[in-house]
Amino acid sequence: EAGVTQFPSHSVIEKGQTVTLRCDPISGHDNLYWYRRVMGKEIKFLLHFVKESKQDESGMPNNRFLAERTGGTYSTLKVQPAELEDSGVYFCASSQVGLVTYNEQFFGPGTRLTVL
Amino acid sequence: RKEVEQDPGPFNVPEGATVAFNCTYSNSASQSFFWYRQDCRKEPKLLMSVYSSGNEDGRFTAQLNRASQYISLLIRDSKLSDSATYLCVVKGGATNKLIFGTGTLLAVQP
Repeated sequence: EAGVTQFPSHSVIEKGQTVTLRCDPISGHDNLYWYRRVMGKEIKFLLHFVKESKQDESGMPNNRFLAERTGGTYSTLKVQPAELEDSGVYFCASSQVGLVTYNEQFFGPGTRLTVL
Repeated sequence: RKEVEQDPGPFNVPEGATVAFNCTYSNSASQSFFWYRQDCRKEPKLLMSVYSSGNEDGRFTAQLNRASQYISLLIRDSKLSDSATYLCVVKGGATNKLIFGTGTLLAVQP
């Protein structure tokens, strides 16, 4: 079974440009999460989708970040305009929705974003 | 204050050594606790969940002390392949979001 995939693996852009990251969750996983790790800091939660609905977007840093999950399958995270402090590794994770308290979140390999 | 605190290390240990990692969390309403492992430039992967009664998986033992808000991971008979960053992770009460510590780097030396 394919795992969580993310595209691109790396992106280098200039300050002020726009970048769109894509995440394809594991097939059948209704939960989709975005996390980010900036250099020297811990991995931090950005937001959580259940199918196409935003369940929790409390971690989104500001309105330059827009996440979508049209159709409840893959998700995109757009940064517009990008700033230097947006550099980091953006991870996507997915999990099943079930009756147990915790369904393991499986992480994708991440997109390494560098803003110059 | 960070929600999850870990000693960043690095911990440099010889093969065969026993090594212990500790972690504290600030939110007493936290319900679920985990150790994730992250290899260099890779994604985090679940190593094990942590239960109040303590749990063991082969050479790995995890413990939780809710009163002290303290989580630990013990690795016995360290292998070279155990070299990685170990992330202490807590799940919030009402949400599914994971809260990560900064991670502890372990380097097992031959």
